[in-house]
Amino acid sequence: DVVMTQSPLSLPVTLGQPASISCRSSQGLVYSNGITYLNWFQQRPGQSPRRLIYQVSNRDSGVPDRFSGSGSGTDFTLEISGVEAEDVALYYCMQGTHWPFTFGQGTRLEI
Amino acid sequence: QVQLVESGGALVKPGGSLRLSCEASGFSFSGYYMSWIRQSPGKGLEHISYVSGSGNDIKYADSVKGRFTISRDNARNSLYLQMNNVRAEDTAVYYCARTARLLEYWGQGTVVTVSS
Repeated sequence: DVVMTQSPLSLPVTLGQPASISCRSSQGLVYSNGITYLNWFQQRPGQSPRRLIYQVSNRDSGVPDRFSGSGSGTDFTLEISGVEAEDVALYYCMQGTHWPFTFGQGTRLEI
Repeated sequence: QVQLVESGGALVKPGGSLRLSCEASGFSFSGYYMSWIRQSPGKGLEHISYVSGSGNDIKYADSVKGRFTISRDNARNSLYLQMNNVRAEDTAVYYCARTARLLEYWGQGTVVTVSS
């Protein structure tokens, strides 16, 4: 199975400051169609996961533009340009290229 | 708007069976792959199965293969997960989600507890 390793696992931040979460995969994530199926999810306390970013860098509708995704190969990053109180949540990366599709352990963002 | 509503979670004894359902609305259900993902404190998020829109393409994680069966009824806009011979490690919140590789929409989840 492809192992997704996130760091840090806990991320204390100050309101208005930037934050960055790293995700590394144990194998490359480019599918045979040329698409890299690397997604990012946010899970607020008591809620279901919500997708923020798909295919590395595409932001979902309604997601604030302070969220951005980047990376290639086996190294990927989720960045928040200026953290707001509503961003307190767990963040997960997930690869949808190699079955079984796998998630990172999660990064807890706290103010 | 897209809605996914899971049901069927319960307390079940080891070795028992349970059937989870996911009712979909707001999109053309038969045109999409659908998935089951579970979340437990010990194992985090685990994508356990998916099925194509026609039902012809199905995959299972090794942890549930041979015990769980995914199915769908496109006429009823519903996805199912038949869980047999459940174990304590199957205790989790079970989510259905639209598609397999992209998981763009999730339901609110249903809780399965396996305990004697």
